[in-house]
Amino acid sequence: NAGVTQTPKFQVLKTGQSMTLQCAQDMNHEYMSWYRQDPGMGLRLIHYSVGAGITDQGEVPNGYNVSRSTTEDFPLRLLSAAPSQTSVYFCASSVQGGSTTEAFFGQGTRLTVV
Amino acid sequence: GNSVTQMEGPVTLSEEAFLTINCTYTATGYPSLFWYVQYPGEGLQLLLKATKADDKGSNKGFEATYRKETTSFHLEKGSVQVSDSAVYFCALWMDSSYKLIFGSGTRLLVRP
Repeated sequence: NAGVTQTPKFQVLKTGQSMTLQCAQDMNHEYMSWYRQDPGMGLRLIHYSVGAGITDQGEVPNGYNVSRSTTEDFPLRLLSAAPSQTSVYFCASSVQGGSTTEAFFGQGTRLTVV
Repeated sequence: GNSVTQMEGPVTLSEEAFLTINCTYTATGYPSLFWYVQYPGEGLQLLLKATKADDKGSNKGFEATYRKETTSFHLEKGSVQVSDSAVYFCALWMDSSYKLIFGSGTRLLVRP
C-alpha cells in the first residue's frame, strides 16, 4: 500500500530554473494539497484541490502552479525558481478535506535553490 | 482569519516526565482540531483528533481535550519515552474554508 508518493526526495535548482514536484496517491482521495515547511513557520498551504479539474490557492501560492487532471496525481510546478523557495515540500491527501478524516502525507521533497 | 498558535520549543524532558504542549486557536465557527507528529526524516502522521467541543482525543498515551471556552487543545502525556522525540503540530480544519491550518510546530526531545 503506497499511500502518498512524492518525487524527487531531494533537488537542487539554480535560480530561474523550472521544475515539477510530483505527487501521487493510490487511495482514491478527492482532496489533495501542497505545503511548504520552513523553520519556525510550521506548514503553510500552497495550493489545494477538492477533485479532478478543481484547484484553489492556499496561504502562499505565489511562484507556484498546480493542476489536477486525474484523481491520483497533483503536481506542483515552480516556473522560475527563487532562493526564497528553498524549503521542504509536502503533499497530502484525504478523503474529503480534513474535518473528520486523517490527512496522509508524503515523505517530502527537500528543495534547495542556489 | 483562522490560525493556530503553539508554544515555542524545543521542549526537553527526561524519560517518564509529564508532557504538556500548549495549543490555542482562532476560528470563526467550530473547527475540528488535530495533533500531528513528525518523526525525523518523515512526513506528518495523525496522532489524535477531536471534532467538537469537550471531545477528548487519545492515542499512544497522548491526550488532548477540545476546550471551546478557552479555544485550546493542549497535548498531554503522563510519561514520555525517548521514542516520543519528534515535532508535534497542532492543526485545525474549517469546513467553511476547506483548509487544514497548522501551527508552527513544537520540537520535543526526550533524554534517557
